Amino acid sequence: EPEVTQTPSHQVTQMGQEVILRCVPISNHLYFYWYRQILGQKVEFLVSFYNNEISEKSEIFDDQFSVERPDGSNFTLKIRSTKLEDSAMYFCASSAAEPYEQYFGPGTRLTVT
Amino acid sequence: GQNIDQPTEMTATEGAIVQINCTYQTSGFNGLFWYQQHAGEAPTFLSYNVLDGLEEKGRFSSFLSRSKGYSYLLLKELQMKDSASYLCAVKETGGSYIPTFGRGTSLIVHP
Repeated sequence: EPEVTQTPSHQVTQMGQEVILRCVPISNHLYFYWYRQILGQKVEFLVSFYNNEISEKSEIFDDQFSVERPDGSNFTLKIRSTKLEDSAMYFCASSAAEPYEQYFGPGTRLTVT
Repeated sequence: GQNIDQPTEMTATEGAIVQINCTYQTSGFNGLFWYQQHAGEAPTFLSYNVLDGLEEKGRFSSFLSRSKGYSYLLLKELQMKDSASYLCAVKETGGSYIPTFGRGTSLIVHP
């Protein structure tokens, strides 16, 4: 069964450093998403991406964040200068048609020290 | 903005039926999702409702009433593996399709 994959599973970084979180969506999907979940809190939408551009973004997704689909398979989330409050689980998701069934990846736990 | 309310925690017995409610207040409605999330894992899609009524999928059913701003997830023949958090998420219209998640309902199934 096809699945969304994410790497790394856990990333530790120092405050102020740049991080890139990587995702490989399901191959025939067209819509891609990033969510985050701070420990013990609710899931929060960050951004959706379709046809090589951002279709929606939340207030959380400020200038420190960017997304890219550098090739036909990868979908990345970059945080330019990490802050302590960026520590969270980051989930990538993809869907064949918006807004239907989204498949989530296993997540990357980002720890900013 | 949106306000989504779910009970924080529920307990039920293996083999029983449980109903998890979700109420929402939104200026424009464009669909409601239910997800299951086991501790430390990613959410898993369960259902999507955009029209009123009941949608059944195996042991799980989801109901929506747009006029009441109300949905529920019905789990039948509960199994121990159904112990998880159940997330209600609502999408608004009006130019923004950003889904807003509730805090989730932690369901504990005991023997």
